[in-house]
Amino acid sequence: DQQVKQNSPSLSVQEGRISILNCDYTNSMFDYFLWYKKYPAEGPTFLISISSIKDKNEDGRFTVFLNKSAKHLSLHIVPSQPGDSAVYFCAASTPQGGSEKLVFGKGMKLTVNP
Amino acid sequence: DSGVTQTPKHLITATGQRVTLRCSPRSGDLSVYWYQQSLDQGLQFLIQYYNGEERAKGNILERFSAQQFPDLHSELNLSSLELGDSALYFCASNPGSLENTEAFFGQGTRLTVV
Repeated sequence: DQQVKQNSPSLSVQEGRISILNCDYTNSMFDYFLWYKKYPAEGPTFLISISSIKDKNEDGRFTVFLNKSAKHLSLHIVPSQPGDSAVYFCAASTPQGGSEKLVFGKGMKLTVNP
Repeated sequence: DSGVTQTPKHLITATGQRVTLRCSPRSGDLSVYWYQQSLDQGLQFLIQYYNGEERAKGNILERFSAQQFPDLHSELNLSSLELGDSALYFCASNPGSLENTEAFFGQGTRLTVV
């Protein structure tokens, strides 16, 4: 049962354009959402997060939007750069008395073409 | 550099064997998580330890076990290995407080079972 879904396995965009990565979740108990970026042969690196009490969080070129009613979040990268080419994982967690296991999606490969 | 250290980086072993993967968390982090990433799969949560005690369990096989030592480093033991156990194994750590926070990942151990 995939609680966090990234339905598109890949996305290709031109440098300077917007990249939009989508993520859906099924567990209404999730209250914290994160995006991780992963380069080959490296571990995932935290990118940006959002709490369920917000609907938007921005950090430089990266903005995450959360639509709780639709159980959907998206990551916008503007403008996209070739160095953003990586696999992006969406993750979610629920507070469980200190147990904060992250549930990950399968990832989406973003390619930014020069 | 996330501050999380995993050893070894690569491991090749035969079916039926037993291996131990090691993880040193970031300084000060009490919580350690283990994840498995198989081909074309997302990061599957295996188990979490907090300050030496098991806190949460995910899709961890009975052939697998883990522990966290007093110095907070953790080991993941995989026994009676099968070909399907070939995967990337990631360790992550965070302070483990009740507040949501991101986890920091190591570079992973690539296990190949032949």
